[in-house]
Amino acid sequence: QQQVKQSPQSLIVQKGGISIINCAYENTAFDYFPWYQQFPGKGPALLIAIRPDVSEKKEGRFTISFNKSAKQFSLHIMDSQPGDSATYFCAASPGNNRKLIWGLGTSLAVNP
Amino acid sequence: DAGVTQSPTHLIKTRGQHVTLRCSPISGHKSVSWYQQVLGQGPQFIFQYYEKEERGRGNFPDRFSARQFPNYSSELNVNALLLGDSALYLCASSLSSTLNQPQHFGDGTRLSIL
Repeated sequence: QQQVKQSPQSLIVQKGGISIINCAYENTAFDYFPWYQQFPGKGPALLIAIRPDVSEKKEGRFTISFNKSAKQFSLHIMDSQPGDSATYFCAASPGNNRKLIWGLGTSLAVNP
Repeated sequence: DAGVTQSPTHLIKTRGQHVTLRCSPISGHKSVSWYQQVLGQGPQFIFQYYEKEERGRGNFPDRFSARQFPNYSSELNVNALLLGDSALYLCASSLSSTLNQPQHFGDGTRLSIL
């Protein structure tokens, strides 16, 4: 059973558009929600993370929106660029950070 | 500062062999975690170590083991390799094992089992 469900599996966006990736979780013990970006042949790189005491966090063009009651969180990439083309993973972990539970990933392609 | 470094970058083994993968964390980081990433999927947690002690273990068989050294580097060992062990093995380091410290990943070791 997938503890963190991520959608869509793949996404195509035009340059300058907004990319939106969604994740849902079931375990209410999760209290840390990071997003990672992974390029082919590279390890995941932390983009942005949020804790459930805030509903939104913005860093540059990247924004996390968090809905605690719905147990959902999403990543918004504003002004998407071809260099943003990568696989994006949402993840979640309980407070002791003993492990990250990952979504299956979203392959994003930004067309020039 | 150097990031997380893993060696080797690629490795080819045959079924039944064993393998040792190595990881050097970011300087000052005391926690190391290992993940397995099968092609097309998200990483799966294998182990976390902090101050040379195992702090977490994922749902992997006993063929998988790890340890952390006094300099905080770590090794992942896999015995009796199976075809299904073919994957990218990722190491991540963080300052500590608590307070949800961000985990920083290396580029992994690509393990292929023939």
